[in-house]
Amino acid sequence: GAVVSQHPSRVICKSGTSVKIECRSLDFQATTMFWYRQFPKKSLMLMATSNEGSKATYEQGVEKDKFLINHASLTLSTLTVTSAHPEDSSFYICSAGGPGETQYFGPGTRLLVL
Amino acid sequence: AQSVSQHNHHVILSEAASLELGCNYSYGGTVNLFWYVQYPGQHLQLLLKYFSGDPLVKGIKGFEAEFIKSKFSFNLRKPSVQWSDTAEYFCAVRLSGGYNKLIFGAGTRLAVHP
Repeated sequence: GAVVSQHPSRVICKSGTSVKIECRSLDFQATTMFWYRQFPKKSLMLMATSNEGSKATYEQGVEKDKFLINHASLTLSTLTVTSAHPEDSSFYICSAGGPGETQYFGPGTRLLVL
Repeated sequence: AQSVSQHNHHVILSEAASLELGCNYSYGGTVNLFWYVQYPGQHLQLLLKYFSGDPLVKGIKGFEAEFIKSKFSFNLRKPSVQWSDTAEYFCAVRLSGGYNKLIFGAGTRLAVHP
């Protein structure tokens, strides 16, 4: 139980385009979801906390107009990287608050911006 | 600001050796503590967690961790490691209660040689 999926698993896009990443809790409802960025050989950096039906809370230094987060239902949150640039290339991971007050993580999405 | 430090960035062990990975946090209030593992090419999985009660917590795959409040520590242990334990291990802290954000340590990369 407590499975979180992400789609796509990897995406390559051109500089200037927008990319949408989906995060779904498959077997539980999640009022709270989180979006992280993981740099090579580094830890996870929290980007924002997403609550169903309300605006996301962004961490300091994260541009909310660049990283649009929508949490429209209890099982789906989306992260849209707008006007992507090569420096946005990274591994994006979502998690969902699930059973036992525990975060369950998705498999991640590798974004490469050319 | 709260922070989590993991003392060892890389650990190399032979099979059957004992393992202890250090984790210290800085926060004076009540916290929830987690250890996550990330096997090569896989997503983060919960190893164990501590919310309250017995400070010695047992997790999956023979891992355990001990919460020592006076030392602000939550070290991870396994008496005898296997090659399949090769992975990256992350300690995380959350301010107590609900789905507050996790603060991750930098991670420890463990390599177990046969």
